[in-house]
Amino acid sequence: DAGVTQSPTHLIKTRGQQVTLRCSPKSGHDTVSWYQQALGQGPQFIFQYYEEEERQRGNFPDRFSGHQFPNYSSELNVNALLLGDSALYLCASSSTRLAENYNEQFFGPGTRLTVL
Amino acid sequence: AQSVSQHNHHVILSEAASLELGCNYSYGGTVNLFWYVQYPGQHLQLLLKYFSGDPLVKGIKGFEAEFIKSKFSFNLRKPSVQWSDTAEYFCAVKPPSGSARQLTFGSGTQLTVLP
Repeated sequence: DAGVTQSPTHLIKTRGQQVTLRCSPKSGHDTVSWYQQALGQGPQFIFQYYEEEERQRGNFPDRFSGHQFPNYSSELNVNALLLGDSALYLCASSSTRLAENYNEQFFGPGTRLTVL
Repeated sequence: AQSVSQHNHHVILSEAASLELGCNYSYGGTVNLFWYVQYPGQHLQLLLKYFSGDPLVKGIKGFEAEFIKSKFSFNLRKPSVQWSDTAEYFCAVKPPSGSARQLTFGSGTQLTVLP
């Protein structure tokens, strides 16, 4: 049973460019959350997707957008990249259906984004 | 909005020493509480969680945590640390309304265990 997977592992972009990060949730999970982890900080919530809609959003500008597909996988898009967007981007999945671990989020390995 | 404070940014211990990492949260209602660990080069893994019931919860690898509601605290403990416990530890809270709520993390505590 594969856990949460993310691609790519690492990415280098320049200021002003756009980037797309991808996430496949753990088998049986239908909800995907995205977090940004800056160096030396804890993860910060960006947004959450369920039933292909953004259900909750943290304090991030609308340069950050996302999408969820019918197979529950998800993308995070960041436009007009800034130096400050350099961080580890984490995807976490959870389930609204499974009684066990109902409140638990499982994390992927992350995508390390460097903006030059 | 909820917030989480982890008091120690970096803790250095020798093997076999006892560990206690502090975590305090602010939230005006019932919360679910978590400790995650991030080993070097690995993804965040759940150490333990508290939803309800016995406030002393046991997790993997000999870790435990105690929820003290009156102090809004959820401190992580281990009686005897090992070199392999070197990692970053994050406390997190979430309202208990299912998975449709965000986790709020503390800034983390880097634990270094000297052999």
